[in-house]
Amino acid sequence: DGGITQSPKYLFRKEGQNVTLSCEQNLNHDAMYWYRQDPGQGLRLIYYSQIVNDFQKGDIAEGYSVSREKKESFPLTVTSAQKNPTAFYLCATERVAGGLYEQFFGPGTRLTVL
Amino acid sequence: AQSVTQLGSHVSVSEGALVLLRCNYSSSVPPYLFWYVQYPNQGLQLLLKYTTGATLVKGINGFEAEFKKSETSFHLTKPSAHMSDAAEYFCAVSALTGANNLFFGTGTRLTVIP
Repeated sequence: DGGITQSPKYLFRKEGQNVTLSCEQNLNHDAMYWYRQDPGQGLRLIYYSQIVNDFQKGDIAEGYSVSREKKESFPLTVTSAQKNPTAFYLCATERVAGGLYEQFFGPGTRLTVL
Repeated sequence: AQSVTQLGSHVSVSEGALVLLRCNYSSSVPPYLFWYVQYPNQGLQLLLKYTTGATLVKGINGFEAEFKKSETSFHLTKPSAHMSDAAEYFCAVSALTGANNLFFGTGTRLTVIP
């Protein structure tokens, strides 16, 4: 079954703790993205990676870190420096075909800070 | 630069009534346009997309959208709402080239009244 897997689905964190959100894909897409979703604000880009061992900051990268050691995996770490981490986090991959860049989304992880 | 405006953060319709969700875009180059749907606590699913050619685009679940260049609009419609259509809908725009190039609107939450 091809697709994008995000785990865990729900995650609870105490203040001051780092947590890592997993994103795995078997679609063989080169580019992967992390978005944060808050009510009424749509999707905001955290980080993206177009190729293994390379990634770029998005609009709201402060307090987050990523790695891209394998094509299939793009984990996101929410550090203690992120002051308001409670949100829904979405991972996406990107397919390029005929000049069209099309994104596909995972099921999301809901992070709650206690 | 590209941007999207979705008019109305909440839309309510009666079951069986017409669904109309509005999206206006801004783009300095010919755009690619997308509509995504998100059910509670799930990722985004592509409903339909406009690239080139026919301006009336049909998608899944009976939805369609019409690209109107003169009005810079890409409104989403469905002739008859079903209870299962209740979800959040996102319009997005990208340019012809370049990754990290998908800009989302803030979303419209559709409620279907029985």
